[in-house]
Amino acid sequence: EDQVTQSPEALRLQEGESSSLNCSYTVSGLRGLFWYRQDPGKGPEFLFTLYSAGEEKEKERLKATLTKKESFLHITAPKPEDSATYLCAVQAMGGSRLTFGEGTQLTVNP
Amino acid sequence: GAVVSQHPSWVICKSGTSVKIECRSLDFQATTMFWYRQFPKQSLMLMATSNEGSKATYEQGVEKDKFLINHASLTLSTLTVTSAHPEDSSFYICSAIVTARGRSTDTQYFGPGTRLTVL
Repeated sequence: EDQVTQSPEALRLQEGESSSLNCSYTVSGLRGLFWYRQDPGKGPEFLFTLYSAGEEKEKERLKATLTKKESFLHITAPKPEDSATYLCAVQAMGGSRLTFGEGTQLTVNP
Repeated sequence: GAVVSQHPSWVICKSGTSVKIECRSLDFQATTMFWYRQFPKQSLMLMATSNEGSKATYEQGVEKDKFLINHASLTLSTLTVTSAHPEDSSFYICSAIVTARGRSTDTQYFGPGTRLTVL
């Protein structure tokens, strides 16, 4: 059974204070690992897809990395508008369904 | 980017009534759509996979007679909550996979969600 564990559950940062979110996973053959951002009362917004260990992707202040067991979402010099819940999900080979982690609720204070 | 819409964005209904939620892919075709529900402070729980022109595949524990899914076209899937009860109150979110030249990519794009409250 595919499993995704995200840590920490919640993270409070000061504006400009860089940090990382962790996503540990077990999957029977990784097709892709996905990062989404979800604001309260809205659907998840797609951020990144990572396919193989060693891959990295960046978007503005966000950088996602992948190893064979975990993924990190690095946030550099965050701003209050980066406050959201960040969801990690894995997709196994042969299918398109996603298994989600519980998410990390990020709060960036001005 | 791929845009998915949902209608309505929120609905309040009385216990025992049925509610239909629409999910549309606005700028792409989607042979596969997914329906999730999300409770407060929890992650997304997959309810069913909807394939255009065929019956939906439901996750274990999801009542297919209660949550009716119809994927009648490449841009529209509907979820009908039949005989709704207060415990069905939740945030329902759909997603769609882009289909291009007969092949599906692997990225799910999500709709904005529908807040259902059953009184």
